[in-house]
Amino acid sequence: DGGITQSPKYLFRKEGQNVTLSCEQNLNHDAMYWYRQDPGQGLRLIYYSQIVNDFQKGDIAEGYSVSREKKESFPLTVTSAQKNPTAFYLCASSTWTGVRNTEAFFGQGTRLTVV
Amino acid sequence: EDQVTQSPEALRLQEGESSSLNCSYTVSGLRGLFWYRQDPGKGPEFLFTLYSAGEEKEKERLKATLTKKESFLHITAPKPEDSATYLCAVQRGAQKLVFGQGTRLTINP
Repeated sequence: DGGITQSPKYLFRKEGQNVTLSCEQNLNHDAMYWYRQDPGQGLRLIYYSQIVNDFQKGDIAEGYSVSREKKESFPLTVTSAQKNPTAFYLCASSTWTGVRNTEAFFGQGTRLTVV
Repeated sequence: EDQVTQSPEALRLQEGESSSLNCSYTVSGLRGLFWYRQDPGKGPEFLFTLYSAGEEKEKERLKATLTKKESFLHITAPKPEDSATYLCAVQRGAQKLVFGQGTRLTINP
């Protein structure tokens, strides 16, 4: 089945640690995204990538880093510089038809908690 | 600044009681408006895409409409399984989505 796989589902981080969230897609989509969702709020864009080896900052990129070495993979690292990392993280992908973007498909999310 | 505002924040209905959710937006160069459904602890599930004013899409008990300033998600004769948070998003520029804060819908049996 085609889709987006995020892992792990739950992640606990100690103060001062870096952690990496995994996102893999087999939809052959060009674009991939990372969003953060806090309770009662909408999704906020962290980073996005339109092609391999290229990515752009979203609205809340501080304290996060990404890489896009393969079309299928877009891992997100939450660094110790992110002061309030506890949140629900969502990865998504979409593709460009030449005229417009298709809808974004989302993974099932990773819930990160600082302990 | 691009903005998406959804109302109401929460809505509680009886089974079979029809209603509408609103998504108002201000964005330059709208490339598309998207509706998603999100269940607790899950990722959003795609429902509809609307591209131009006057466009309508339907799926089972849901119907989405679009004007130049807002979109409505109409729910006809809802069932308890329609309970979820409904998210609206607009696409601006190159592949970036701006989301509203969502409407939490509860359908009581």
